[in-house]
Amino acid sequence: AQSVTQPDIHITVSEGASLELRCNYSYGATPYLFWYVQSPGQGLQLLLKYFSGDTLVQGIKGFEAEFKRSQSSFNLRKPSVHWSDAAEYFCAVGARDSSYKLIFGSGTRLLVRP
Amino acid sequence: EPEVTQTPSHQVTQMGQEVILRCVPISNHLYFYWYRQILGQKVEFLVSFYNNEISEKSEIFDDQFSVERPDGSNFTLKIRSTKLEDSAMYFCASRRQEGLSDTQYFGPGTRLTVL
Repeated sequence: AQSVTQPDIHITVSEGASLELRCNYSYGATPYLFWYVQSPGQGLQLLLKYFSGDTLVQGIKGFEAEFKRSQSSFNLRKPSVHWSDAAEYFCAVGARDSSYKLIFGSGTRLLVRP
Repeated sequence: EPEVTQTPSHQVTQMGQEVILRCVPISNHLYFYWYRQILGQKVEFLVSFYNNEISEKSEIFDDQFSVERPDGSNFTLKIRSTKLEDSAMYFCASRRQEGLSDTQYFGPGTRLTVL
């Protein structure tokens, strides 16, 4: 069965520091992978997605993610965090079935220290 | 930029009451979804809807739940007799075409509180 694990419930970084959020997936074939961000009181906004090709994917707001098949990982990175990046981040895998639904991880809450 | 909208933003109801959560998907989208997020937990798939019928539903989506696209623009989720455990944030999503390469766009959610 498809599943997504985000091992870090909370992460705190200082503004200007680099960030890496971890995501591991379980899927039999080449996965479709996504990162969404949820700011307080907001819906889920797509940051980036991976389907095939270059394993380093660029997204919005300066985020990038790297797909590593050998590690079943799709970690999200940002070289320099801004206070406005404080939010909850969700990794998801797309299900290749009739619905193309998304299966989400439990999320990582990012706190940014001034 | 087009967006998915949801109303109300917050709904409070008594246990056993019926609620209808409303969504207006992006206008040229064809695939529609409801997800929910119980406080502190992950976002879970409830149901997908295409061509005026349910294409898939999860175990959560029991007989108390129903979905409808009554007028070609709205997409509603009805909970017939709410339970305390239905308290959650409910997200509507839509996509334009078939396939995972097409982005699912999410609405801002409706927070349902069942007392």
